[in-house]
Amino acid sequence: SQQGEEDPQALSIQEGENATMNCSYKTSINNLQWYRQNSGRGLVHLILIRSNEREKHSGRLRVTLDTSKKSSSLLITASRAADTASYFCATDGWFGNEKLTFGTGTRLTIIP
Amino acid sequence: DARVTQTPRDKVTEMGQEVTMRCQPILGHNTVFWYRQTMMQGLELLAYFRNRAPLDDSGMPKDRFSAEMPDATLATLKIQPSEPRDSAVYFCASGPGTGQAGELFFGEGSRLTVL
Repeated sequence: SQQGEEDPQALSIQEGENATMNCSYKTSINNLQWYRQNSGRGLVHLILIRSNEREKHSGRLRVTLDTSKKSSSLLITASRAADTASYFCATDGWFGNEKLTFGTGTRLTIIP
Repeated sequence: DARVTQTPRDKVTEMGQEVTMRCQPILGHNTVFWYRQTMMQGLELLAYFRNRAPLDDSGMPKDRFSAEMPDATLATLKIQPSEPRDSAVYFCASGPGTGQAGELFFGEGSRLTVL
């Protein structure tokens, strides 16, 4: 069963625009991660945010975390065609064990 | 460039046949995970190893699936007998195993089609 639900399920934007994806989860966590999956490929880690952090940046990526609402958002600024992929959030659960539970994913399409 | 290697990349088989998927984790990583990805269920955790010991295989149908780590460089996932509902992409991932969830490194997956 999924811990996280991504919203929207699919998103299409013009190249150069910003893309925002949201993730909601059910149980308390120690950290939340975002992964990207290109079509037919494996998942690639993008960024990890800990439960005591509210915002984190990595290049064109900005992640926020609101533990009171059990939600996170991933913002990709100045999108590029190469950003076309599915994006998943993943959570570890309160006890901080090593297992990750993945959300349903957002399929992002960047229109050149 | 360290990476997780999975074989085969694609497998088409008939119902009832045995299927074995293999994974070579990144050298030095001591946690290994098997995930299954389908359109309907998304990514499901099947099994999880730490230092070659199975810690959690609750997501795996026990009657037909088995997962092992014969040594630190090889993890296997076996399905016997296979059924059409097993058609999916199976991913292996490894991690440095710090005791808390950290970055996982995924292989490219094994796409299984059971006819």
